[in-house]
Amino acid sequence: AQSVAQPEDQVNVAEGNPLTVKCTYSVSGNPYLFWYVQYPNRGLQFLLKYITGDNLVKGSYGFEAEFNKSQTSFHLKKPSALVSDSALYFCAVRPTYSGAGSYQLTFGKGTKLSVIP
Amino acid sequence: EAGVTQFPSHSVIEKGQTVTLRCDPISGHDNLYWYRRVMGKEIKFLLHFVKESKQDESGMPNNRFLAERTGGTYSTLKVQPAELEDSGVYFCASSQRRGGVDEQFFGPGTRLTVL
Repeated sequence: AQSVAQPEDQVNVAEGNPLTVKCTYSVSGNPYLFWYVQYPNRGLQFLLKYITGDNLVKGSYGFEAEFNKSQTSFHLKKPSALVSDSALYFCAVRPTYSGAGSYQLTFGKGTKLSVIP
Repeated sequence: EAGVTQFPSHSVIEKGQTVTLRCDPISGHDNLYWYRRVMGKEIKFLLHFVKESKQDESGMPNNRFLAERTGGTYSTLKVQPAELEDSGVYFCASSQRRGGVDEQFFGPGTRLTVL
């Protein structure tokens, strides 16, 4: 069975500072990894994904994430935080095998990011 | 391009009543998924349609939940009879069917409250 851990329920960062939202995963074999963001009263919006190749993945709104296989982590980063980045962030994993269950996303509990002006 | 839409946005019902949630996926997306987030917990997978066929319903909690996707377009998720523990936000998502790993596009969710 696969699982995702987001160890921080909340992250506070000052506007203009770099931000990191942590994610670790557990899965058999190689994973597909995703980050989604949820703004208030909105659905989840896709930010970026890792499938294979370069460990540093760039996504929407200036976000990037680094895949670290040895640490089974996929932390979300941004060099300079904006107040508008304040939202709920979800990390998700999907298995790479084909067949039943292979399309399921397994999510972490989410991390609330607050960017302070 | 219109995104995934869900109706209603909120529903408040009494225990024992029936509720039907609707999801309209992005046009042309063959894959349709239902997920649920109970307060404070993770978003959990419920089931996956490919067109009108149920591909994976391993996440459906029990037989009080019935999902349909007639004609392979919109989908409904019926809860009958509803119980208190069914309260939460129900998300629908869709993705294209093609080679590769496609991201799932999510709707805004339906917040269900069972009293």
